[in-house]
Amino acid sequence: QKEVEQDPGPLSVPEGAIVSLNCTYSNSAFQYFMWYRQYSRKGPELLMYTYSSGNKEDGRFTAQVDKSSKYISLFIRDSQPSDSATYLCAMNSEEGNFNKFYFGSGTKLNVKP
Amino acid sequence: DAGVIQSPRHEVTEMGQEVTLRCKPISGHNSLFWYRQTMMRGLELLIYFNNNVPIDDSGMPEDRFSAKMPNASFSTLKIQPSEPRDSAVYFCASSFGRKQPQHFGDGTRLSIL
Repeated sequence: QKEVEQDPGPLSVPEGAIVSLNCTYSNSAFQYFMWYRQYSRKGPELLMYTYSSGNKEDGRFTAQVDKSSKYISLFIRDSQPSDSATYLCAMNSEEGNFNKFYFGSGTKLNVKP
Repeated sequence: DAGVIQSPRHEVTEMGQEVTLRCKPISGHNSLFWYRQTMMRGLELLIYFNNNVPIDDSGMPEDRFSAKMPNASFSTLKIQPSEPRDSAVYFCASSFGRKQPQHFGDGTRLSIL
C-alpha cells in the first residue's frame, strides 16, 4: 500500500464551480501537510502548508485536515481556467527521516471557461 | 527573489552517454532534494542533502546514478551510462530548516534515445 493515495483524475469542472481535491494516507504519524500546484512543464509550486488538524484558508483556497480519518482536502472556490493544473498533496511526520516528504501522484484539474 | 535554478532545461542524448544535471538552490536553504517525475511513478525522491551532506540516497535507482553537493550553492546529479528508461523530468528542490516545505525548480526534461 502506498503511503499517500490520490485520485489522478482528470477532474473537469465549469468555471465558477467549487472544486474538492482529496488525499488519503496510511501513516498516523503524519503531522505536516502541503498542497502543491503544478502547471504543465513547470515545477510544483507550494500552495498551502498546514500542521496537524483543522482548516486553513488563503483567498479562494481552503485546506482541511481530518487526522481521525487520515484524509486531507483542498477546496477551490470560484474556480478559474487559470486553476487548471495538477495538484499534488505531500506530508511528513516528526519521526524518522525528518525531511522526507511523501507525495501523492497528483490530480489533474481542468476548469472550462 | 531567485528560486531554485536548474540547467539544462532540456537534454536529449543517446544511450550510453554521460548526463549531468545541475542545480542551484535558494540562497540560505540548507536542504537540497533531487526528484524524478514520470507518468507511471509520479514524483520519486532520489536523494537529499542536509548542509551539503548526503542524508538519504535510498531512492537512487542504480549505481549509474550519483549526486554531489560540493558547496551550499551547487549540486549535480550524474547518470553514467544513461539508458532510455532514465527518460523523465528531474526536479531539484530546496528548503530551510526542519519540516519546512520544499521549493522546486522547473526541472530538466531528459530524453535518452
